[in-house]
Amino acid sequence: DQQVKQNSPSLSVQEGRISILNCDYTNSMFDYFLWYKKYPAEGPTFLISISSIKDKNEDGRFTVFLNKSAKHLSLHIVPSQPGDSAVYFCAASVFGDYKLSFGAGTTVTVRA
Amino acid sequence: DGGITQSPKYLFRKEGQNVTLSCEQNLNHDAMYWYRQDPGQGLRLIYYSQIVNDFQKGDIAEGYSVSREKKESFPLTVTSAQKNPTAFYLCASSMTGGWNEQFFGPGTRLTVL
Repeated sequence: DQQVKQNSPSLSVQEGRISILNCDYTNSMFDYFLWYKKYPAEGPTFLISISSIKDKNEDGRFTVFLNKSAKHLSLHIVPSQPGDSAVYFCAASVFGDYKLSFGAGTTVTVRA
Repeated sequence: DGGITQSPKYLFRKEGQNVTLSCEQNLNHDAMYWYRQDPGQGLRLIYYSQIVNDFQKGDIAEGYSVSREKKESFPLTVTSAQKNPTAFYLCASSMTGGWNEQFFGPGTRLTVL
């Protein structure tokens, strides 16, 4: 049973515009959320995280928003750059638990 | 340079053979993990280990085995019992306790012919 869902398998955006990636979760126990970026044939790299005590976390061009009541989070990338073209995974965990639950990923393509 | 290494990057094996994938980390992390990635799917957890000489099954452990004799090393054996072993395998590590991001290695692409 998929507890973390990324319903958009792909996203195409023009360079300089905003990319918005969405993620939904079903397990109300999740209290820590992460976004990873992955290039083909490489391991994922950590991008940004947010705990359930916050509703927004920002790091440079990347901002993650959390809506606990809707069990929804989103990643905003502003402005989008060609190097942002990659697969983005949303992941979630419970405090103290070692396991991360991953979504299926969203492939972002930034057009010049 | 601290990090996680996986070797080899590409691995080919004949059907029915066991194969062991290597994972080493020098981040001094207690916890280590093995994931499998298939096209169009997220990362699925195979096994994880919180400390040396201890490990637990993940969501898809059937047909796999692991060992954790050293803190730095967490090898994964894909046995002949794994029905569909061709996949991209990722190793990760993290600190223990609380909220911790996992750091991933570069992955091993296993193809069973």
